[in-house]
Amino acid sequence: QSALTQPRSVSGSLGQSVTISCTESRTKGGSYNFISWYQQHPGKAPKVIIYDVKKRPSGVPDRFSGSKSGNTASLTISGLQAEDEGDYYCCSYADDYIWVFGGGTKVTVI
Amino acid sequence: QVELQESGPGLVKPSETLSLTCSVSGYSITSGYYWGWIRQSPGEGLELLGSIYHRGNAYYNPSVKSRVTISVDTSKNQFSLKVKSVTAADTAVYYCSRVGPPGSVNYFDSWGQGSLVTVSS
Repeated sequence: QSALTQPRSVSGSLGQSVTISCTESRTKGGSYNFISWYQQHPGKAPKVIIYDVKKRPSGVPDRFSGSKSGNTASLTISGLQAEDEGDYYCCSYADDYIWVFGGGTKVTVI
Repeated sequence: QVELQESGPGLVKPSETLSLTCSVSGYSITSGYYWGWIRQSPGEGLELLGSIYHRGNAYYNPSVKSRVTISVDTSKNQFSLKVKSVTAADTAVYYCSRVGPPGSVNYFDSWGQGSLVTVSS
């Protein structure tokens, strides 16, 4: 199985960049190339903003970008905007049609 | 455009069985993809409970496997969740979602709005 570790919170000023890490510890199977990121606003369902490590679904602003190095994936929000405040979750395919989510990171815009 | 909608009781007594149904519109459940249930306890993160393919192949998170059953009704274009012997720890918002076959569509691309289930006597 797999476990994904994210920082509990990050913050940044309007217009700045913030980066959220997602570090995987894996015991077997799965694929860390199947990393996706979700944005969640209070009271709303999560919404995918990055998939397959660095791909953006249509309609997602290009200020959101993803990358991966070794067992750590990262989500960067460039040019932070007020509407980017919320919770962000990474997700990875573990094995046997089971996906694992990270614990979530709260992004605060100062 | 695919839409998912959860339905079911918002209050369940401890030790009883939680039952939810996800109705899918705008896409045939038999056309591919896997269909999953994800929950979020108050103030906590996301946890996949399991997923199912339209042929009935179900896969469960080992942490809940002994108490969870996911089934599909292709005639109604729905899939369902049952969690037995619930406790207060099962109080959560339950989401249904669509995810592609690993290696094809590797993310949850559509979500229901969520259904809050409270376990309390």
